[in-house]
Formats: sequence, structure tokens, C-alpha cells
Amino acid sequence: GESVGLHLPTLSVQEGDNSIINCAYSNSASDYFIWYKQESGKGPQFIIDIRSNMDKRQGQRVTVLLNKTVKHLSLQIAATQPGDSAVYFCAENIEGNFNKFYFGSGTKLNVKP
Amino acid sequence: DSGVTQTPKHLITATGQRVTLRCSPRSGDLSVYWYQQSLDQGLQFLIQYYNGEERAKGNILERFSAQQFPDLHSELNLSSLELGDSALYFCASSVAAGVAYNEQFFGPGTRLTVL
Repeated sequence: GESVGLHLPTLSVQEGDNSIINCAYSNSASDYFIWYKQESGKGPQFIIDIRSNMDKRQGQRVTVLLNKTVKHLSLQIAATQPGDSAVYFCAENIEGNFNKFYFGSGTKLNVKP
Repeated sequence: DSGVTQTPKHLITATGQRVTLRCSPRSGDLSVYWYQQSLDQGLQFLIQYYNGEERAKGNILERFSAQQFPDLHSELNLSSLELGDSALYFCASSVAAGVAYNEQFFGPGTRLTVL
């Protein structure tokens, strides 16, 4: 399949372990954040979002934490599965606009069976 | 399958040429977004259309242009191509565009190679 080919940081975890992927965002005025998953050969897929008035949000097996003080986001994946292997990147909205986003460069998650 | 289709899947062309990438949004979606994903810059927002009108603009070069047609499909035109334009181009669609986030569904992308 297609791959972007970026020289991305890689996180390798054992199947069943928890994964934590980090992202530093750039603009303190950003008020909405999204985590995306991109599998090889596919377009990005929405995982979970969080607004700046929250510091934690949980989904199914995923949790996003937001630390506005240090402009840091993290994505926690519980009980990581082989199907979670992908590139993960965060996005922040630009100028308060919900149609324009700045995307981080991503982290490649490699789940070992 | 997101429901967003893009053609062609691959495109190889030469510097100085012009190409057109096509996107069909999910049924019922009125908004279309174009993104470029290159080796050194990650995913970048280019432009958004809503119901035929340009709604938001990102880092789109003047050599690039887009439009959304009455049937809601969209085309991204890239002209005077340079080696650095080689990238994956993604289209995404959403139901609406406004003051709240509307989940964007991404197509499979078009890989453009400029030789």
C-alpha cells in the first residue's frame, strides 16, 4: 500500500499493552484538537476530539489528555491490538476556525504480536 | 471505505505540466476539503468548498486552483508542476461547514509523482 515515507518517530509496543502517543501543538489560541489514525494506503481517520475547555476525554479504548499550560496532547490506547498499527497525528484548529486545521507530523505505532 | 472517492489513484507527469485531480464526496455531504501530504511537511490543508463556494483557504499555491461543481464533486488543478509538488493529495468531505466541527471523511488519496 501507499505510505507517506516521512521519517517519523516510531513507538513499538507489545500487543495487549497500553500505548501513549504525544503531540506538542503550536498555537495557544487553538481551541479544538483532533487525533487521527492513518493506516498504510488509506486516508486519515478521525479517532477522538477534545475542546480546550476540557482536559480529558474518553472514547472506546482511547483517551485524549490536554495540557494547555505546556501545549501538549496525548493519546492513550488501552490494550493495543495489531489493528492499531498506523501513523497517528494530532491536529489543532487554526484561528478558531473549525474548517482549517494544522496537522502534526505524526508518530508511527508498531504493535508487535 | 469512507464513501469519498478520488481519481486517479496514481498520476505520473513531468515538470511544467498541468493535472486535474477529482473528488466525489460522500452522498449528502456538501463540503469538500483538499489536503497535500508530502514527505517533508506532513498533511497540509489547501482549500475548502461548501456547496459550490470557497469557504476556507490554507497554504495553497497560486499555481493550484480548485472548484466544486453543482453536483458537488470537486477538482483540484495543479499547473506548472515542480518536483516538489510530488505528494499524496487527499480530499475529504463533511456534511456541512460552520461554527462547529463537522467530521471530515477522507478519501484514499491520489499519489502524484512529478519527474
